[in-house]
Amino acid sequence: EPEVTQTPSHQVTQMGQEVILRCVPISNHLYFYWYRQILGQKVEFLVSFYNNEISEKSEIFDDQFSVERPDGSNFTLKIRSTKLEDSAMYFCASRAQGLNNNEQFFGPGTRLTVL
Amino acid sequence: GQNIDQPTEMTATEGAIVQINCTYQTSGFNGLFWYQQHAGEAPTFLSYNVLDGLEEKGRFSSFLSRSKGYSYLLLKELQMKDSASYLCAVKDTNAGKSTFGDGTTLTVKP
Repeated sequence: EPEVTQTPSHQVTQMGQEVILRCVPISNHLYFYWYRQILGQKVEFLVSFYNNEISEKSEIFDDQFSVERPDGSNFTLKIRSTKLEDSAMYFCASRAQGLNNNEQFFGPGTRLTVL
Repeated sequence: GQNIDQPTEMTATEGAIVQINCTYQTSGFNGLFWYQQHAGEAPTFLSYNVLDGLEEKGRFSSFLSRSKGYSYLLLKELQMKDSASYLCAVKDTNAGKSTFGDGTTLTVKP
């Protein structure tokens, strides 16, 4: 069964460093998402992406964040200068095209720890 | 603003039926999701309702009333593996932004 994959599973970084979180969505999916979940808190939407551009972003997704689809398979989230409060689980999700296709498939997540 | 309310915790017995409620007040509404999330894992999709009424999928059903800003997830024939957090999320816009509730932690006891 096709699945969304994410690498690395755990990333530890120093405050102020740049990190890139990688995702490989399901191959025929066209809509991509990033979410984050701070430990013990709710899931929060960061950004949606379609047709090689951002469809929508939340207030959390400020200038420190960017997304890219560098090739036909990868979807990345970059945080330019990490802060302590960026420590969270980051989930990538994808879904197929079609008005009736609302099921988002989540990857296993990358746990980001900023020291 | 966005506000989604669901109970923090619920407990039920194996084999029983449980209903998890969700009320929402959001600036936009393009559908409501229910997800299941086991501790330390990613959310998994359970259901999506955009029209009023009941959607049934196996042991799980989801109901929506847009006029009341209300949804529930019904789990039948509870199994121990159903112990998890259940997340209610409103799709605010057509472009994909969703607002999640805090989740309801369900514990199924033998």
